[in-house]
Amino acid sequence: QKEVEQDPGPLSVPEGAIVSLNCTYSNSAFQYFMWYRQYSRKGPELLMYTYSSGNKEDGRFTAQVDKSSKYISLFIRDSQPSDSATYLCALSYGNNRLAFGKGNQVVVIP
Amino acid sequence: DAGITQSPRHKVTETGTPVTLRCHQTENHRYMYWYRQDPGHGLRLIHYSYGVKDTDKGEVSDGYSVSRSKTEDFLLTLESATSSQTSVYFCAISTGSGMNTEAFFGQGTRLTVV
Repeated sequence: QKEVEQDPGPLSVPEGAIVSLNCTYSNSAFQYFMWYRQYSRKGPELLMYTYSSGNKEDGRFTAQVDKSSKYISLFIRDSQPSDSATYLCALSYGNNRLAFGKGNQVVVIP
Repeated sequence: DAGITQSPRHKVTETGTPVTLRCHQTENHRYMYWYRQDPGHGLRLIHYSYGVKDTDKGEVSDGYSVSRSKTEDFLLTLESATSSQTSVYFCAISTGSGMNTEAFFGQGTRLTVV
């Protein structure tokens, strides 16, 4: 069973705050690590992708992977109301299949 | 949107009727997937395809079948729809290979079984 744990609790933050999201997993077979953003009634949109331990930055977004602890994180700096969405972690295994966390709903309050 | 089109976008159907959802891609990618998204469960893989006529089951495949007779189209069929299959269905494609693999999703089909 390929399980990914993501605390699905909603998160409300004031504009400009740092948002911190994380997922844990138990199976070492996961190869690649992704974060998706999903706006209401839309399809998931690929936000960040990484395949190795360490940090990867893209503008205000940082993805962090610790393979030894089986822990991945997403940080959003200087959060904006437009960042209000559901964020899903996704881990890739054989034939590029994805196992998803349950998602975190983030609300950035102006 | 990586050239992915799902149809229909919305459908209401009655219990016991067959339903077919279509996913069409314009870029000839080898891998295609069907996921469903439900509150409290996140996205779960139903079936996937790794080439024309090559398909395999995902974690929630019971009650579903798929077909892929050409590269650009991947069909998901609910043989006899049940209320538990009310969900939002997403098609996805996988691009690249190895460490350059990325997955992109369609806009979803909202299916209600009454």
